[in-house]
Amino acid sequence: GDSVTQMEGPVTLSEEAFLTINCTYTATGYPSLFWYVQYPGEGLQLLLKATKADDKGSNKGFEATYRKETTSFHLEKGSVQVSDSAVYFCALISSGSARQLTFGSGTQLTVLP
Amino acid sequence: EAGVAQSPRYKIIEKRQSVAFWCNPISGHATLYWYQQILGQGPKLLIQFQNNGVVDDSQLPKDRFSAERLKGVDSTLKIQPAKLEDSAVYLCASSLGLAGTNNEQFFGPGTRLTVL
Repeated sequence: GDSVTQMEGPVTLSEEAFLTINCTYTATGYPSLFWYVQYPGEGLQLLLKATKADDKGSNKGFEATYRKETTSFHLEKGSVQVSDSAVYFCALISSGSARQLTFGSGTQLTVLP
Repeated sequence: EAGVAQSPRYKIIEKRQSVAFWCNPISGHATLYWYQQILGQGPKLLIQFQNNGVVDDSQLPKDRFSAERLKGVDSTLKIQPAKLEDSAVYLCASSLGLAGTNNEQFFGPGTRLTVL
């Protein structure tokens, strides 16, 4: 079945540091890939998405590139801020009949001033 | 635009008791989802409704969990009787259409259930 593997956290960075959160997936066909963010006390929000190989999703300074050859969708940001502290979830929707969101286990990010 | 509303935000019960959660989706959203998020894990889909019909309930433990969306708007999820392993955050989400790349799911804040 479909699965998503994320790097384990928690991740703690200083403000303005470079961020990478690794995500790899297993899925049939050609899935669509997503990053969701969950700020403290709030619901999950879609951060960015990519629907086909080599697509780059971007939003709020975050980027992720759909790499079919390595089945990866790593999240990056060049300079993190304290306000980026949250839990980040990688997810996919497969192209098969079971079109449901499959999530990774999440990565807690804390950015220190 | 109002987001997805859920209540209660927190609930503590003892095992073998019953509990119910309520969700009001974004107005006009035909599809409603219930997810279970156990601590340290990603959300797992329990059930998906399209209007008032069930689209997918393959991961719903039907011996103790039930859900309904009678009028195609708000929904309730019930657990009867609860077990310790049901302790989790229960998330509700909604989207305009069926799950897919172009139908973004909007999530509520969740209900945190603790079973003692």
